[in-house]
Amino acid sequence: QSVLTQPPSASGTPGQRVTISCSGSTSNIGSHTVNWYQQLPGTAPKLLIYSDDQRPSGVPDRFSGSKSGTSASLAISGLQSEDEADYYCAAWSDSQNVVFGGGTKLTVL
Amino acid sequence: EVQLVESGGGLVQPGGSLRLSCEASGFTFSSFEMNWVRQAPGKGLEWVSYIGSSGGTVYYADSLKGRFTISRDNAKNSLYLQMNNLRAEDTAVYYCATSSPMDSDALDNWGQGTMVTVSS
Repeated sequence: QSVLTQPPSASGTPGQRVTISCSGSTSNIGSHTVNWYQQLPGTAPKLLIYSDDQRPSGVPDRFSGSKSGTSASLAISGLQSEDEADYYCAAWSDSQNVVFGGGTKLTVL
Repeated sequence: EVQLVESGGGLVQPGGSLRLSCEASGFTFSSFEMNWVRQAPGKGLEWVSYIGSSGGTVYYADSLKGRFTISRDNAKNSLYLQMNNLRAEDTAVYYCATSSPMDSDALDNWGQGTMVTVSS
């Protein structure tokens, strides 16, 4: 059971906009920034969004993050086949550790 | 180019020990905070441990209960994870990752991982 709650799956067709939610508590998302990771099949995770809504260099602006209270969301617009991957949210916790969501498997139909 | 190369994984019996290494290149290792993250087969990501740039600050996942020790040797550009009293549930791919200078909670560079299998 992960500390942060994500839907196990999401899907969309090419060109669509998809959102993935991440729910936490006041001890993690509510008081710390949220980061999002993309993991393509068979590869190491990649930082996609940091500090709630910031994109590292090289990440397309189709990816965006937001946060409100104890929940966060990742939005992917203009969905592409190469976006098919697992997505994880993560945040620092007041108990001095990083907590991850269980991951969301995104399928591009 | 930032490179992180993990090594030291393998098959170990329950109760055994293993020491993982992560060799860093392409950046000033001594200036970066580092982490270990693991992923059990077919499962999600689990953060394991953090170490500050000088090694003076360390944090661990509550679930490890003192069995793992993170350390670093800045002169050798290397990060380590000493794992003792290993259990079947420690079976996973172990990744080392840098903390982003923009947000230390964010892990912005990852190695390819090393597999640890705990089984008799």
